[in-house]
Amino acid sequence: EIVMTQSPATLSVSPGERATLSCRASQSVSSNLAWYQQKPGQAPRLLILAASTRATGIPARFSGSGSGTDFTLTISSLQSEDFAIYYCQQYNNWPITFGPGTRVDI
Amino acid sequence: EVQLVDSGGGLVQPGGSLRLSCAVSGFTLRSYWMSWVRQAPGKGLEWVASIKQDGSETYYVDSVEGRFTMSRDNAKNSLYLQMNSLRAEDTAVYYCAKSAFALTDWGQGTLVTVSS
Repeated sequence: EIVMTQSPATLSVSPGERATLSCRASQSVSSNLAWYQQKPGQAPRLLILAASTRATGIPARFSGSGSGTDFTLTISSLQSEDFAIYYCQQYNNWPITFGPGTRVDI
Repeated sequence: EVQLVDSGGGLVQPGGSLRLSCAVSGFTLRSYWMSWVRQAPGKGLEWVASIKQDGSETYYVDSVEGRFTMSRDNAKNSLYLQMNSLRAEDTAVYYCAKSAFALTDWGQGTLVTVSS
């Protein structure tokens, strides 16, 4: 099983600031990595697929990079609606696995 | 508009069974892998199972293998998750999701509580 880790666990930032979230896989997942945003009481929302492709309707301030084992989600200028938990997920191998999440708060 | 509507959750005793359903609309179900993902209260996301377009392949997380069965009825635009021998640790919100790779669309979730 591929173990996904995320850092930091919590990221405290101010609106307008840049946020950088990291995700690491225990072995290579190529570019088969997705990022999700989840707000309290809501289902997750796909942000990024294939490591760097924004999903439909996702604002350009969200960007993804990386391949192999190390990945980054960058939010260029945080908006109030971006405060949430962010999960990475690999889909290169069964079982599909998620990281533990990074909480982005003020 | 893509829609996935999860249903069938509830309170069940340990060792009991429950069948979850997911009704989909706005896309051609038979063209997509589909998945179930769960989230225990206050915890992160855990993939549970995925099924191929024609139902010929299914994959499960180890913790539910042999107890849960995922199935689909493309003609009825529906997915199912039959859950047997339920344990307290299966307590979670269960989401159906489109695809088995990047999960592009999600249902609203249905809460399963396993408790005596």
